Amino acid sequence: RKEVEQDPGPFNVPEGATVAFNCTYSNSASQSFFWYRQDCRKEPKLLMSVYSSGNEDGRFTAQLNRASQYISLLIRDSKLSDSATYLCVVNLNNFNKFYFGSGTKLNVKP
Amino acid sequence: SQTIHQWPATLVQPVGSPLSLECTVEGTSNPNLYWYRQAAGRGLQLLFYSVGIGQISSEVPQNLSASRPQDRQFILSSKKLLLSDSGFYLCAWSRSDSNQPQHFGDGTRLSIL
Repeated sequence: RKEVEQDPGPFNVPEGATVAFNCTYSNSASQSFFWYRQDCRKEPKLLMSVYSSGNEDGRFTAQLNRASQYISLLIRDSKLSDSATYLCVVNLNNFNKFYFGSGTKLNVKP
Repeated sequence: SQTIHQWPATLVQPVGSPLSLECTVEGTSNPNLYWYRQAAGRGLQLLFYSVGIGQISSEVPQNLSASRPQDRQFILSSKKLLLSDSGFYLCAWSRSDSNQPQHFGDGTRLSIL
């Protein structure tokens, strides 16, 4: 079983739409959670950390559900520039290792 | 602020040749350092990570090796490249504190002929 699982998509949405991605993790001892964005043929870039109480950064909202072991990312008012692959990342701090999901591809269309 | 440098950006090598990719971090001390590989259209595969000078943990048995000769320098090497070594190699660092995210270098796109 993979440590982190994501729906690969693609999610094809029109500009202005709201889209949500979920990601499940298998290890209940996971401590830190992040969403990264990766553009084609580029390095992943940190989008936001995910805090226990949920957090928002502009059009982006992240939620953590420890009981069900999943995190989510909500994007409101999608822009063409939001088209990318979104990676869910989980960290077990005791082992200095980060586990990456395979990513969810988002295509925002005009 | 912290920066991470990785080079070269692209590399074309023949099968059986050696490899050396270098990564350096500036603006922080005692970072955790990581090497990943990403095959086309796939997720990131952790190859090595290091929590200090000379301390290397290997995640996947293969013909690659890593070294950390200085606090902020991480090197990925191979004595003899295989076709299957092609991919996008990414170096990353994180602070050694808890709950800190990783930050990636620009990556090296390696093609083996």
